[in-house]
Amino acid sequence: DTVLTQSPALAVSPGERVTISCRASESVSTGMHWYQQKPGQQPKLLIYGASNLESGVPARFSGSGSGTDFTLTIDPVEADDTATYFCQQSWNDPFTFGSGTKLEIK
Amino acid sequence: QVQLQQSGAELVKPGSSVKISCKASGYTFTSYDMHWIKQQPGNGLEWIGWIYPGNGNTKYNQKFNGKATLTADKSSSTAYMQLSSLTSEDSAVYFCASIPTDWFAYWGQGTLVTVSS
Repeated sequence: DTVLTQSPALAVSPGERVTISCRASESVSTGMHWYQQKPGQQPKLLIYGASNLESGVPARFSGSGSGTDFTLTIDPVEADDTATYFCQQSWNDPFTFGSGTKLEIK
Repeated sequence: QVQLQQSGAELVKPGSSVKISCKASGYTFTSYDMHWIKQQPGNGLEWIGWIYPGNGNTKYNQKFNGKATLTADKSSSTAYMQLSSLTSEDSAVYFCASIPTDWFAYWGQGTLVTVSS
């Protein structure tokens, strides 16, 4: 299975720029997607196809990368962005998710 | 608007089975795969598989072969997942998710399954 590796946690201040990384154990082309999950809620799609912003998601969120290295950027960060962020790949079978990066806003 | 409404929390005994549901509305149920995803407390997400309600075709993550069975009822626009031979490792929140196919713009609210004697 394709393993997606994310750093476990980050802490930033409001107004700063934050990058969350996701590294795949093998190429996933641009079949990488990003979700935000707040406690007790279902995940929310932010970015699909590595760099496409889902409708209704603020333009503060952006995604980049291809192959094995991907980044989700939030600029500027707001207090409401406190959440866990997951990457998910759909290029290889089975679909897999990263373990999540917990973002704390100081 | 698209909605996926899941059934309520379940408390079940080890060794038993449970069937949870996901009722879809706001789109053509038979046109999109319905995926199921597992999330254990404090853990990440695991993809279980999908069913295409249009023809009943299914695909499973090999890890869940024999554990999960996906079905769909076109008449009620409802997808089901049955989990069998339950153990404590099956205690988790289970989500249905759909649209478009390879990523998931719409999710159910989740169903908590607790396996305990």
